[in-house]
Amino acid sequence: QKEVEQDPGPLSVPEGAIVSLNCTYSNSAFQYFMWYRQYSRKGPELLMYTYSSGNKEDGRFTAQVDKSSKYISLFIRDSQPSDSATYLCAMSVGAGGTSYGKLTFGQGTILTVHP
Amino acid sequence: GAVVSQHPSRVICKSGTSVKIECRSLDFQATTMFWYRQFPKQSLMLMATSNEGSKATYEQGVEKDKFLINHASLTLSTLTVTSAHPEDSSFYICSAPPGRADTQYFGPGTRLTVL
Repeated sequence: QKEVEQDPGPLSVPEGAIVSLNCTYSNSAFQYFMWYRQYSRKGPELLMYTYSSGNKEDGRFTAQVDKSSKYISLFIRDSQPSDSATYLCAMSVGAGGTSYGKLTFGQGTILTVHP
Repeated sequence: GAVVSQHPSRVICKSGTSVKIECRSLDFQATTMFWYRQFPKQSLMLMATSNEGSKATYEQGVEKDKFLINHASLTLSTLTVTSAHPEDSSFYICSAPPGRADTQYFGPGTRLTVL
């Protein structure tokens, strides 16, 4: 079983739709949660970062963490064609020790927003 | 956000040659940088942790004699793929934490093709 599970999709939605992306994890030591967006043949771009259960909002994006269920989500409101990309969830146990800075990624979900 | 650059963005080489990839943090210092590899339609896999002033630490299954890492300064890490073979063809991405180890900023990636 992978430490982080993410449905690879692909996911296709019409412009303006609300998109829900999800990851589950098995390692209870994960304390920090991130969402990255990756366009084709580019490096990942940090979208959201959070370390506590609950919601965090930034513009059209909302990150949700439920540590008790080991489940995180990213919601995209009013989706745009420019949101078409691969979305990767990532997690870490935090600073200190041999796990310093190491991220564990989900497989990534391919999203297409069509006009 | 913080900026991380990589050079070259793309390289094509013959089997048996060595290829050097540079990763630079442009607006912050990074005592630690990370190297990832990403195969088509797959997620990022951590290869090694680059430590300024000390030896790199490699993930299980990564050959340290094949993937040489040198963290020459607080803003530069290099990855050298020695005696490259076609199976080393991949997308190599570096990352660096801008202070907080639980977030990472990624470079744009280097696409290596070994003929």
